[in-house]
Amino acid sequence: QSALTQPPSVSGSPGQSVTISCTGTSSDVGSYNRVSWYQQPPGTAPKLMIYEVTNRPSGVPDRFSGSKSGNTASLTISGLQAEDEADYYCSSYTSSSTYVFGSGTKVTVL
Amino acid sequence: EAHLVESGGGLVQPGRSLRLSCTASGFTFGDYAMSWFRQAPGKGLEWVGFIRSKAYGGTTEYAASVKGRFTISRDDSKSIAYLQMNSLKTEDTAVYYCGRDSNFAFDYWGQGTLVTVSS
Repeated sequence: QSALTQPPSVSGSPGQSVTISCTGTSSDVGSYNRVSWYQQPPGTAPKLMIYEVTNRPSGVPDRFSGSKSGNTASLTISGLQAEDEADYYCSSYTSSSTYVFGSGTKVTVL
Repeated sequence: EAHLVESGGGLVQPGRSLRLSCTASGFTFGDYAMSWFRQAPGKGLEWVGFIRSKAYGGTTEYAASVKGRFTISRDDSKSIAYLQMNSLKTEDTAVYYCGRDSNFAFDYWGQGTLVTVSS
């Protein structure tokens, strides 16, 4: 199972919006609405930000939103803040009953 | 609130074995599937495998990179999940995390434990 494809980096100024894409195949992202997103600041454990494509866990700001079209899922951060600077990973359940992560995207706040 | 703590990491020689533990608290451990992940130094996250709850058979699934070498088990009476790692290779060097599986996502993570495979 190959890693899902994410851009290595995205950047934006405070207050702007950034979108991170996550491209898989019809055997993972395209098959199920079981895509999740994780935020990982340096030296810390990942934190769940989005589950089942669009749902936010309690406590996650509504600046974070998710969507999916075909084999590509996306995470959008609106009103970018300095505290959003981190690595972000997508994950998908697969048709083999396994999980696969994306390659990771570093978000930089300019 | 749910809390997970990994333990058992350390330095091990190639070809040897190591067992990691993930001790859970703050939730009914037996109701949830549990996953293991790893992150090599400076690299991305990799899902290692998971064990379903007893209600779903307590069966396991693994990533191709560890299948046949790693085994996940659980002791619901102690709220612990284990990762038994055999025939370790230098490329298994990573921080290993455990996580709670909920709605096909991982809503709680431990702080991680470092495994270094080196001679």
